Amino acid sequence: DAGVIQSPRHEVTEMGQEVTLRCKPISGHNSLFWYRQTMMRGLELLIYFNNNVPIDDSGMPEDRFSAKMPNASFSTLKIQPSEPRDSAVYFCAGGPRVTGELFFGEGSRLTVL
Amino acid sequence: KQEVTQIPAALSVPEGENLVLNCSFTDSAIYNLQWFRQDPGKGLTSLLLIQSSQREQTSGRLNASLDKSSGRSTLYIAASQPGDSATYLCAVLYSGAGSYQLTFGKGTKLSVIP
Repeated sequence: DAGVIQSPRHEVTEMGQEVTLRCKPISGHNSLFWYRQTMMRGLELLIYFNNNVPIDDSGMPEDRFSAKMPNASFSTLKIQPSEPRDSAVYFCAGGPRVTGELFFGEGSRLTVL
Repeated sequence: KQEVTQIPAALSVPEGENLVLNCSFTDSAIYNLQWFRQDPGKGLTSLLLIQSSQREQTSGRLNASLDKSSGRSTLYIAASQPGDSATYLCAVLYSGAGSYQLTFGKGTKLSVIP
């Protein structure tokens, strides 16, 4: 298995633009998390899906952020409109719900100018 | 709300030394605890997973222990090598009352000096 695949790896955009980050989890893993990592705040949970259903989105900072998981093999995190303070590394992670073990993607580094 | 603390924030040791990284958490009703390694510019790599019913896990030169009652976990690295230099994060999974929360510490940045 290729592991958790995220795209793009790097994104530079201007304030106000829409950003879409993508994630392909490992086949068979029914839990999926989106995290944001910054130097100041460390890793912050944004949203958690179980079996494609959003269970906890209390970490989504504002209405500008939205996440979807239309099927077990694909998830997106969208920011519209983007702001400079959204600059961070966004990680997708997934794993089997029964063990709680997590496998991370390589992350998408977002820079909003 | 679960809080996870890792001390120290940074650690520098000479090659060959044994070392211990610490992780503490506030809510002892955890589902599991996981130790990760993160290299600069990379994602997190799972090192060891300890379920709530377990006391320790071992993988090669790594040994992780869990004491739920005191809210502590340690990661022991034997005979450290320069390749062990990375940031080590612990994460606590809390599952209850319909929620499923994984909370990370801010990590310990380890430098192993040749």
